Amino acid sequence: DIQMTQSPASLSASLGETVSIECLASEGISNDLAWYQQKSGKSPQLLIYAASRLQDGVPSRFSGSGSGTRYSLKISGMQPEDEADYFCQQSYKYPYTFGAGTKLELK
Amino acid sequence: EVQLVESGGGLVQPGRSLKLSCAASGFTFSNYYMAWVRQAPKKGLEWVATISTSGSRTYYPDSVKGRFTISRDNAKSSLYLQMNSLKSEDTATYYCARHPTTRVYPHWYFDFWGPGTMVTVSS
Repeated sequence: DIQMTQSPASLSASLGETVSIECLASEGISNDLAWYQQKSGKSPQLLIYAASRLQDGVPSRFSGSGSGTRYSLKISGMQPEDEADYFCQQSYKYPYTFGAGTKLELK
Repeated sequence: EVQLVESGGGLVQPGRSLKLSCAASGFTFSNYYMAWVRQAPKKGLEWVATISTSGSRTYYPDSVKGRFTISRDNAKSSLYLQMNSLKSEDTATYYCARHPTTRVYPHWYFDFWGPGTMVTVSS
């Protein structure tokens, strides 16, 4: 199985700060990488797919990049509503696995 | 508006069975691969099952293969998960989720999720 290692496990950011979350796959996943946001008590919502494509309706401050085994999610200008857990997921090979998550809090 | 609403969760004893349902609306259900994804309390996400548009093909990870069965009724826009031989480690919130599907080819991520239904396996 492909292991997805997310870092950091948690972080806090000030209003307007730029934040980056990383995801490392145990083998190459050919940009088949999605990012999800999960607010407290809610279900996950798709932010990014194919490593860098923004899902409809997602604010443009969210962006994704990467290739091979290393991928990242960037939030350009932290907002209060961005406080949430973030998960990456590889959609390259069965079984389709998720990272353990990153808890983002507003400082 | 795409809506997915799960039901059927609850408390069940180890070794027993439970069947979850998901009612879909706001899109042409029969055109999409559908899935179940679970999340243990305070834990990460785990893909549990996927079914093709017609229901003829199903996919499971090893952790549930042989115990869980995913099915669908396109006439009722409904998705199901039959869970047998339940274990304590199956305790989780179970989400119904949609795979983006292009010309019957699925993309293996999830673009819409329901609010989830909680399953607790305990004696």
